[in-house]
Amino acid sequence: AQSVTQPDIHITVSEGASLELRCNYSYGATPYLFWYVQSPGQGLQLLLKYFSGDTLVQGIKGFEAEFKRSQSSFNLRKPSVHWSDAAEYFCAVGANSGGYQKVTFGTGTKLQVIP
Amino acid sequence: KAGVTQTPRYLIKTRGQQVTLSCSPISGHRSVSWYQQTPGQGLQFLFEYFSETQRNKGNFPGRFSGRQFSNSRSEMNVSTLELGDSALYLCASSLVASGPPVDNEQFFGPGTRLTVL
Repeated sequence: AQSVTQPDIHITVSEGASLELRCNYSYGATPYLFWYVQSPGQGLQLLLKYFSGDTLVQGIKGFEAEFKRSQSSFNLRKPSVHWSDAAEYFCAVGANSGGYQKVTFGTGTKLQVIP
Repeated sequence: KAGVTQTPRYLIKTRGQQVTLSCSPISGHRSVSWYQQTPGQGLQFLFEYFSETQRNKGNFPGRFSGRQFSNSRSEMNVSTLELGDSALYLCASSLVASGPPVDNEQFFGPGTRLTVL
């Protein structure tokens, strides 16, 4: 069975600083990987996804993530954080199971942005 | 195209009662998944419905049940509510193509906030 670990529960960064959120997954084959963002009182919004191909994936809102098979990681990055990026971020892994895809989410990382 | 809608947005119930939550997927999406989100447990998968059939189920007690209608709308029911059922219940829909691998991007609704007193 697949699993996802987000080792950082909370992260605080200054506005304008760079950001990296960590995500490690466990799955025997090539996984489908996702990053979602959840603003307070909102549902989850997809930032980016990786299925195959180029291991550096560009997403919305200036985010990118890099798939590193050797490290089983899919870290999310942003070169310059804006106050509006304060939210909770979820990494997820999808794997084919019996002909359909099962998605498992990490426990999330809360991002605080200080002026 | 309208997004995933969930009704009601907020709900307050007392222990022992039952509750029904509704989810309308994006038009054309045939898969609907339900998740429970709590501060301590994060996002936990409840079940997934596809073409009116439950295809996958998480590790929740039988008090949690669901169904899907022919128009892909889905309902989730929780019977004999407990305090621990207080959570944000999220519904997600996806357009599932036939045969693996599938592009199973999930689109989430805003959730129903259930408070059990």
